Amino acid sequence: KQEVTQIPAALSVPEGENLVLNCSFTDSAIYNLQWFRQDPGKGLTSLLLIQSSQREQTSGRLNASLDKSSGRSTLYIAASQPGDSATYLCAYLPGSNYKLTFGKGTLLTVNP
Amino acid sequence: DGGITQSPKYLFRKEGQNVTLSCEQNLNHDAMYWYRQDPGQGLRLIYYSQIVNDFQKGDIAEGYSVSREKKESFPLTVTSAQKNPTAFYLCASEQGNTEAFFGQGTRLTVV
Repeated sequence: KQEVTQIPAALSVPEGENLVLNCSFTDSAIYNLQWFRQDPGKGLTSLLLIQSSQREQTSGRLNASLDKSSGRSTLYIAASQPGDSATYLCAYLPGSNYKLTFGKGTLLTVNP
Repeated sequence: DGGITQSPKYLFRKEGQNVTLSCEQNLNHDAMYWYRQDPGQGLRLIYYSQIVNDFQKGDIAEGYSVSREKKESFPLTVTSAQKNPTAFYLCASEQGNTEAFFGQGTRLTVV
């Protein structure tokens, strides 16, 4: 069964701190892995997409890495801000089918 | 603007009723998805479609039905057979195994 695990489930940090969110998945053959942000009651906003041939992607203060051999991805957020408070979800597209599969997310709170 | 539009934003269903959630995209994407989100459960896949006139069951398809008659539209019907339909429903699309985009969701409540 295809599964995604995100650790930690919740994280509370003071403003300005650098932090790492973790995602692990069960397949070694994947098309891509994507990180999303979700604000309460809203849809998902795509943050970063890493194709299977890539090792990392960067956008502003965000950096995501992908290690297919170990089935892991990390999302690094530099100099966190209160506006970063949200739930962060990772999802991967398995190479065996087209079922975009999600973890349960990490709820991030950045305190001023 | 290009994107995915879900309607309505809020929907109330009486016991025994069928209701249909709309999902429209103007991104020219072939693939479309429906997910259900419950507190603490993450997103669970209901149905997905890789191309017009074709769709597959996801992990929790019982009590739901879909159609894909047009590339831009992927409506989801929640039937009376779905015993616990109260949830947040999200529609997504993507093209060529690349970046997926989501709508703003429909919150369905049974009254």
